[in-house]
Amino acid sequence: DSGVTQTPKHLITATGQRVTLRCSPRSGDLSVYWYQQSLDQGLQFLIQYYNGEERAKGNILERFSAQQFPDLHSELNLSSLELGDSALYFCASSVGASGTSYNEQFFGPGTRLTVL
Amino acid sequence: QQPVQSPQAVILREGEDAVINCSSSKALYSVHWYRQKHGEAPVFLMILLKGGEQKGHEKISASFNEKKQQSSLYLTASQLSYSGTYFCGTEKANDYKLSFGAGTTVTVRA
Repeated sequence: DSGVTQTPKHLITATGQRVTLRCSPRSGDLSVYWYQQSLDQGLQFLIQYYNGEERAKGNILERFSAQQFPDLHSELNLSSLELGDSALYFCASSVGASGTSYNEQFFGPGTRLTVL
Repeated sequence: QQPVQSPQAVILREGEDAVINCSSSKALYSVHWYRQKHGEAPVFLMILLKGGEQKGHEKISASFNEKKQQSSLYLTASQLSYSGTYFCGTEKANDYKLSFGAGTTVTVRA
């Protein structure tokens, strides 16, 4: 158990819908990262927050958005869902921010999203 | 830009050694190594910062050659528990994004 929690564990929805994935980082960690893992794309970095502020953006679609709240938990919002959005979405947390020596990342169990 | 990992897959017998390589075309600030077992989340193994250091975790160690922008992960005297997919993640200086390689699937057989 990494100490990172993600809810829900599984999500099944239809195309065009909107969903919210939630992540609580390990106690004391200030950074939260979101990743998408699909069979054909591997682990893709989406976005990173550090202490409430966006720090880095990866290949995140405009239909996707995220935020980190004052209590440091984070939410990833996916809208206008398409079949291709079906994937495993991981949240990770670290003590420091990327670009420092304190950003070993601890991954949550993931949310498996299925878009029908 | 995604780092290149090799080999794609390796099959070992218990006690054998293996090396997994991770190469980047860009100047790197750090290299991370993770192991993911089927149906589970990636688990952090180690992080190497530029400076050519070598680190170890149980009988798994890694090196980072800054001049070649290449990192190698060494699995020594492999155990059944080493089976899984190993990912390297690379971070460029001032980029703040971790790019993962496609992974190397390691199967250790008794």
